[in-house]
Amino acid sequence: GNSVTQMEGPVTLSEEAFLTINCTYTATGYPSLFWYVQYPGEGLQLLLKATKADDKGSNKGFEATYRKETTSFHLEKGSVQVSDSAVYFCALSEATGNQFYFGTGTSLTVIP
Amino acid sequence: GAVVSQHPSRVICKSGTSVKIECRSLDFQATTMFWYRQFPKQSLMLMATSNEGSKATYEQGVEKDKFLINHASLTLSTLTVTSAHPEDSSFYICSASTGVGYGYTFGSGTRLTVV
Repeated sequence: GNSVTQMEGPVTLSEEAFLTINCTYTATGYPSLFWYVQYPGEGLQLLLKATKADDKGSNKGFEATYRKETTSFHLEKGSVQVSDSAVYFCALSEATGNQFYFGTGTSLTVIP
Repeated sequence: GAVVSQHPSRVICKSGTSVKIECRSLDFQATTMFWYRQFPKQSLMLMATSNEGSKATYEQGVEKDKFLINHASLTLSTLTVTSAHPEDSSFYICSASTGVGYGYTFGSGTRLTVV
């Protein structure tokens, strides 16, 4: 079956620190991989995505590379800001379907 | 880009009443819409999948008579929580897709509080 395993939080970092949030997946086919961000009290916003192996998704300084050999899609940012404080969800969707499979989410707090 | 509007963003209702949540695709036609529920500090759990013009498919454990889903047009899906109880208090999020292989867009969510 399909599933997403995401590192547990919460994560607290100082401003300008390096961020890594680990995400691994299991899938029966060739999924697309996503990172979504949820700011307090809001819905989910797509942060970045990758649709095939070795693709790198990037947005707002965040990056994640689709690694088929390690079934991973780790989220990284070189220098976090206070405004990055949010919950981050890793997700996958099979190419042949529309359903998403979400990780449990990782709460990030960035302190000045 | 594609925009999904979800309304209301917050609602407080009395126990025993029903609440309707709307999910609209503003600039595209959504053949499929999904309804998720998010418990505090937990991930999103898929409740049901609805396809325009047909009955919704509910995930195991979701009461279809309690959570009524209607997808009567290509731009609107509604979730009605019937006879709401405090345990139904949650964050509900919809997402819309134009079809297999195309993108998915999430609504901004509805915070339901049943008192």
